[in-house]
Amino acid sequence: DVKVTQSSRYLVKRTGEKVFLECVQDMDHENMFWYRQDPGLGLRLIYFSYDVKMKEKGDIPEGYSVSREKKERFSLILESASTNQTSMYLCASSMEGANYNEQFFGPGTRLTVL
Amino acid sequence: QQQVKQSPQSLIVQKGGISIINCAYENTAFDYFPWYQQFPGKGPALLIAIRPDVSEKKEGRFTISFNKSAKQFSLHIMDSQPGDSATYFCAASITSGTYKYIFGTGTRLKVLA
Repeated sequence: DVKVTQSSRYLVKRTGEKVFLECVQDMDHENMFWYRQDPGLGLRLIYFSYDVKMKEKGDIPEGYSVSREKKERFSLILESASTNQTSMYLCASSMEGANYNEQFFGPGTRLTVL
Repeated sequence: QQQVKQSPQSLIVQKGGISIINCAYENTAFDYFPWYQQFPGKGPALLIAIRPDVSEKKEGRFTISFNKSAKQFSLHIMDSQPGDSATYFCAASITSGTYKYIFGTGTRLKVLA
């Protein structure tokens, strides 16, 4: 059974803190994605990676960075958390070339920045 | 041009009724249109998808209707059940050379028992 896991389901941080969100997939997928989900705005792509150490900006990369040192792990970093980064963060992965790159999602991390 | 517009934002349907969610796009280069279903506390999961070379795809009670000339596609849920209550996202993708989906804003469906 395919699985994408995220390090925390709920996270509360203070403004200005450095925040790490981690995502691990066990499907040997090449592609990994970070989205944020906000009511009325849907899923917006923050960053994605199509290979180890490769990354590309999505639609809303400002205030975020990512790291992919191993194929199975993709980390989202908030260098200095702000209240407008309070959101649900979803990680996804997909296999290159398979079934039109169906994306498999983790359960999400609900981040609150106070 | 990269947007996918989804409506309605929320939908309430009686058990046994038909739920219809609509999406529209601008970029004619999109060639794959999936629908994702998300239950509370879970990540989205692929429900059904269509390519623009067909006008309709049916899987059980779920049907995608696709209108290439109007650049619109819709999800129909026949005989809606309370267990279908979830948030639904349409998406669009260009399958050659990219791995990105452009998602719609989501529709929260509630099916009343």
